Amino acid sequence: DAGITQSPRHKVTETGTPVTLRCHQTENHRYMYWYRQDPGHGLRLIHYSYGVKDTDKGEVSDGYSVSRSKTEDFLLTLESATSSQTSVYFCAISGGTGPLNTEAFFGQGTRLTVV
Amino acid sequence: AQKITQTQPGMFVQEKEAVTLDCTYDTSDQSYGLFWYKQPSSGEMIFLIYQGSYDEQNATEGRYSLNFQKARKSANLVISASQLGDSAMYFCAMREDYTGGFKTIFGAGTRLFVKA
Repeated sequence: DAGITQSPRHKVTETGTPVTLRCHQTENHRYMYWYRQDPGHGLRLIHYSYGVKDTDKGEVSDGYSVSRSKTEDFLLTLESATSSQTSVYFCAISGGTGPLNTEAFFGQGTRLTVV
Repeated sequence: AQKITQTQPGMFVQEKEAVTLDCTYDTSDQSYGLFWYKQPSSGEMIFLIYQGSYDEQNATEGRYSLNFQKARKSANLVISASQLGDSAMYFCAMREDYTGGFKTIFGAGTRLFVKA
């Protein structure tokens, strides 16, 4: 199994509070991704990183920010959580010499509930 | 605009029969990768199969094969001899080269139910 862990695995938070989710990898992969999964939408890309301090927006980046100060850690922050951000969040990593043909390995997911 | 389209929200198949899960994609790139993932009820994402845009032959991995029709921009997953354990959500995904790197986007998924 790829060495990728997400924390926390479950979180309940109140509307308006900041929340940070952590993704940690031990594979030294270059690319890291944050997705959210919602019924009927599949996985939607929030932000991704292609190196330390190199990040870019995905399809649904509004309300989210990310940081990657080390290869192994990719943080997703909800600055002020809203109920629409209740979702399951997945982190993924990919690397290798052929990024186009390298599959992504996924973390176990974080279930976030904003009340 | 939707870049990955999976038109079948749910599918039923009889055990031991073959089933095809549809996926169409939209890209102007010549170089891209196509993937299928399985998500069982436990929630983890499992990589199944990969097809490169320049691959001339359809990819196969055990009971999984990818029916790649480049001109139609379709990448259908075929599961042969379905098993009860194949009941899961299936996602089609595409990786493209964007400024600064590569990113993978997913379709909405197809839930497959295998009947005994």
